[in-house]
This record gives sequence, C-alpha cells and structure tokens, in this order.
Amino acid sequence: RKEVEQDPGPFNVPEGATVAFNCTYSNSASQSFFWYRQDCRKEPKLLMSVYSSGNEDGRFTAQLNRASQYISLLIRDSKLSDSATYLCAVKGFQKLVFGTGTRLLVSP
Amino acid sequence: DAGVIQSPRHEVTEMGQEVTLRCKPISGHNSLFWYRQTMMRGLELLIYFNNNVPIDDSGMPEDRFSAKMPNASFSTLKIQPSEPRDSAVYFCASSFDNSNYGYTFGSGTRLTVV
Repeated sequence: RKEVEQDPGPFNVPEGATVAFNCTYSNSASQSFFWYRQDCRKEPKLLMSVYSSGNEDGRFTAQLNRASQYISLLIRDSKLSDSATYLCAVKGFQKLVFGTGTRLLVSP
Repeated sequence: DAGVIQSPRHEVTEMGQEVTLRCKPISGHNSLFWYRQTMMRGLELLIYFNNNVPIDDSGMPEDRFSAKMPNASFSTLKIQPSEPRDSAVYFCASSFDNSNYGYTFGSGTRLTVV
C-alpha cells in the first residue's frame, strides 16, 4: 500500500462548480499535512497547510480527519486558472511524502 | 529571495554518461531534499540532508546515484553511468527544520537519457 494515495482524476468541472479531492495516508504517526498545486511542467507550490480544526483560504478549504487518516481539499466557485494537478503531502519526521496528484480541468 | 535554484533546467545526455545536477537552497534553510518525478511513480524522495549531513538516502535507486552537500548553500546529485530509465524531472527542495512548514521547490531539472 502506498503511504499517500489520491484519485488521479482527471476531474472535469465547469467554471463556478465546487469540487472536492480526498487523500488517504497510511502512517498514523504523521505530523503535518499539506496541499500543493503543480502546473504543467512546473514545480509543486505550496497551496495550504492542513490543520486539525480545518482551515480556509478564500475559495479553498482544507480538512483533516486523523481518525480515518484522510485529508480533503474543497474548491468553491472554480476558475479556469484553478486547472492544475493538486498533490497532497504528509510529513512524518522531516520527510514529506507526496501523493501522485489529482488533475483538475476547469472548462468555460 | 531568489528561491531554490537548480541547474541545468534541461539536460539531454547519452546512456553511460555522467550527469551532475546542482541545487542552491534558500538561504537560512537547513534541510535539503532531492525528489524525482515521473508519470508512473509521481514524486519520490531520493535523499535528504539536515545541516549538510545526509539523513536518509533510502530512496536512492541504486549505487549509480550519489548526492553531496559540501556546504549549506550547495548540493549535487550525480548519476554515473546514466541509463534511459533515469529520465525524469529532478527537483530540489529546501525548508526550515520544522515539521509545521512545507518545502519550497526549485524549478527542476528535466533529464533525458537517450
């Protein structure tokens, strides 16, 4: 079993839609959780950290469920510019392990 | 802040040749990570350094791969001899030694071994 698993997608949604991604992790001792965004042929960039109480940054909401060992990312009111691959990342002791990413395509 | 700087951006080499990838982390960051990304396997951690010392190299695929960090501002990843299956994008990332922070990635080196 992979340490971090994601649905590869792609998720095809129209502009304005709400879309949610989930990610599961296997190491119950994991300490920190993140969502990264990666555009085509670019490096991953930190989108947001994920906190136990859930956190929001504009149209983006991240949540963590330690009991079930998954994290989620909700994007509201999707924009064309949200089209990218979204990678979840889970950190144990100094090692950040990434999922393979979920591709999102937002169409007009 | 110049970010994490990697060179070269692209490298095309023939099978059997030595390849050296370079990375300059963000000033003040004391952890450095080398990742490899392919379509099939995603982002894989190869090795990481803390305070210039290699901490975990369990992700290094085989002895053909080696990495060094002679000082806090420079690291290299070397492949010798290179093989076509080494073709991938190699990313360097750095961070503070703090579990609450994510990593900052460089732009990557796209390696093609023919």
